[in-house]
Amino acid sequence: GAVVSQHPSWVICKSGTSVKIECRSLDFQATTMFWYRQFPKQSLMLMATSNEGSKATYEQGVEKDKFLINHASLTLSTLTVTSAHPEDSSFYICSARDPEGDAGKQYFGPGTRLTVT
Amino acid sequence: GQNIDQPTEMTATEGAIVQINCTYQTSGFNGLFWYQQHAGEAPTFLSYNVLDGLEEKGRFSSFLSRSKGYSYLLLKELQMKDSASYLCAVRDSNYQLIWGAGTKLIIKP
Repeated sequence: GAVVSQHPSWVICKSGTSVKIECRSLDFQATTMFWYRQFPKQSLMLMATSNEGSKATYEQGVEKDKFLINHASLTLSTLTVTSAHPEDSSFYICSARDPEGDAGKQYFGPGTRLTVT
Repeated sequence: GQNIDQPTEMTATEGAIVQINCTYQTSGFNGLFWYQQHAGEAPTFLSYNVLDGLEEKGRFSSFLSRSKGYSYLLLKELQMKDSASYLCAVRDSNYQLIWGAGTKLIIKP
């Protein structure tokens, strides 16, 4: 089946620094990737939709200048958390849509645990 | 390796009961999640099991047996709006989420 990877799996950084998280589709080309944040109550919040070769579409309330998304190729999207603060500590999950699979079917990555100290 | 197995597709009748099974093999276990996802929408959280047993929440219940590496999601009094994909995910010892491919549930009148 389709596989999506994320790197790093966990990262600890100091307040004020930036962190880049990579999301890769390993065996398919994903024209669309999604970035989610998982809250302690387990709900997933969609942060943005990333389309290859174009600007990401951010959900209401998500700061686009703080969460920079780049989808430079059909297999890679990156999320950069700029000037991270402790409240940005969370679990970030990406997913990728396989355009040749069922319409709308997404494959999820294992997540990246970010801790900002 | 780590993997999650769940049926690709299931069909049920409105008003009936359906059980979606999920079996897993992971490096450690730190909880199992069920999400519902309608086409084109973000997944919504349904349940979280970390101890053995049944968790009931309205029409939805989730069961876990850690010794068997097995969970199921039980949906009662099915409604047409329950037509969606249901995702099973396990958090392993490294806090990584291992996702199943999802079960597409089709509800017929």
